[in-house]
Amino acid sequence: DTAVSQTPKYLVTQMGNDKSIKCEQNLGHDTMYWYKQDSKKFLKIMFSYNNKELIINETVPNRFSPKSPDKAHLNLHINSLELGDSAVYFCASSPEVAKETQYFGPGTRLLVL
Amino acid sequence: AQSVTQLGSHVSVSEGALVLLRCNYSSSVPPYLFWYVQYPNQGLQLLLKYTSAATLVKGINGFEAEFKKSETSFHLTKPSAHMSDAAEYFCAVSDQAGTALIFGKGTTLSVSS
Repeated sequence: DTAVSQTPKYLVTQMGNDKSIKCEQNLGHDTMYWYKQDSKKFLKIMFSYNNKELIINETVPNRFSPKSPDKAHLNLHINSLELGDSAVYFCASSPEVAKETQYFGPGTRLLVL
Repeated sequence: AQSVTQLGSHVSVSEGALVLLRCNYSSSVPPYLFWYVQYPNQGLQLLLKYTSAATLVKGINGFEAEFKKSETSFHLTKPSAHMSDAAEYFCAVSDQAGTALIFGKGTTLSVSS
């Protein structure tokens, strides 16, 4: 069984569209994260949720909205997609907070045309 | 604020040679430090982590890292490189609130036969 899964794996879309990326973890962890990896492979935290509550919201455009329907899921919705949103988005989870090991999903490769 | 600096964006070694990937950190509190590996088109996998229990930390696949407070370093080493070690390596520190990981810019390790 995959510990942290993301769908879709690849996403190609036009500028201005709205898209969602889904993340699920079956590890029983309390905390989930979204990271963005840019074309230079730099990884940056976007959001962090603990027990369905937002605990980090970095400087991310408000076109990005995370939603956590339950502890095992953290979805990322992106409105009005822009060219600069093209990146790889990783979901991760950890037992509590970031001092614990984070387990990463395989990533979603988003290409905005 | 916490930060990490990885010296050398690209390291090339021959198979069987010593691997040394450098990481220096900045932290105003005792840090939690991590090394992650990313194979092509995959998510990140934990190699090892330092949580103040021991300064020499052993990880998976024969890697280890030594925490040196006086040098604010957490360099990753492996005595003998294998072709399968070719990947992107990230050093990370837990942020001050312990709510997210702050990643370095990564080091690409190439291994030649």
